[in-house]
Amino acid sequence: GAVVSQHPSRVICKSGTSVKIECRSLDFQATTMFWYRQFPKQSLMLMATSNEGSKATYEQGVEKDKFLINHASLTLSTLTVTSAHPEDSSFYICSARDLGTLRGETQYFGPGTRLLVL
Amino acid sequence: AQSVTQLDSQVPVFEEAPVELRCNYSSSVSVYLFWYVQYPNQGLQLLLKYLSGSTLVESINGFEAEFNKSQTSFHLRKPSVHISDTAEYFCAVISSSNTGKLIFGQGTTLQVKP
Repeated sequence: GAVVSQHPSRVICKSGTSVKIECRSLDFQATTMFWYRQFPKQSLMLMATSNEGSKATYEQGVEKDKFLINHASLTLSTLTVTSAHPEDSSFYICSARDLGTLRGETQYFGPGTRLLVL
Repeated sequence: AQSVTQLDSQVPVFEEAPVELRCNYSSSVSVYLFWYVQYPNQGLQLLLKYLSGSTLVESINGFEAEFNKSQTSFHLRKPSVHISDTAEYFCAVISSSNTGKLIFGQGTTLQVKP
């Protein structure tokens, strides 16, 4: 099956520092990856759509200068939380579309990254 | 635009009892439908999906869901649940025009009690 990994799984940082989260599709190519944020006991909120070789498309209300997304290859997208603050603490999940499936409707999710900003 | 409503935020059930998690959607275009499961502190795992064909779809661990176009529903069922089924379940839709954006419901917590 399609596997998506995220690294790190958990990170604790000081306020004001930047944190990079990697999302990799391990056994398939993904031209599109998605970044979500999930607060406790809530559903996933789409932050941005990451397209390989082009700029990410951000959802309304998501600061593009705060959450930098880079999709340099067909198997890797990164999310950098710049100048992190405690309110950025959350569970960040990425997903990737498998081009091998019919029109790529199915998204496969990474295991998530728990970010805690002190 | 599409939207998804999961009518129950929490569903407590005893082990080996049947369960139904409800999901309704609204859309002006045809959609593809998904159920994802999330165990504590983990990402989402695809449970089953409906893209086309038979309206009844099944997962490998005994769950099934039926696409009902007239009622715009995609309820998830299992005839006999296990303790290990305790998790958060999310219903999601994606437009068949394939914008790629999944629209999620609010989630339903399935609590299986011994």
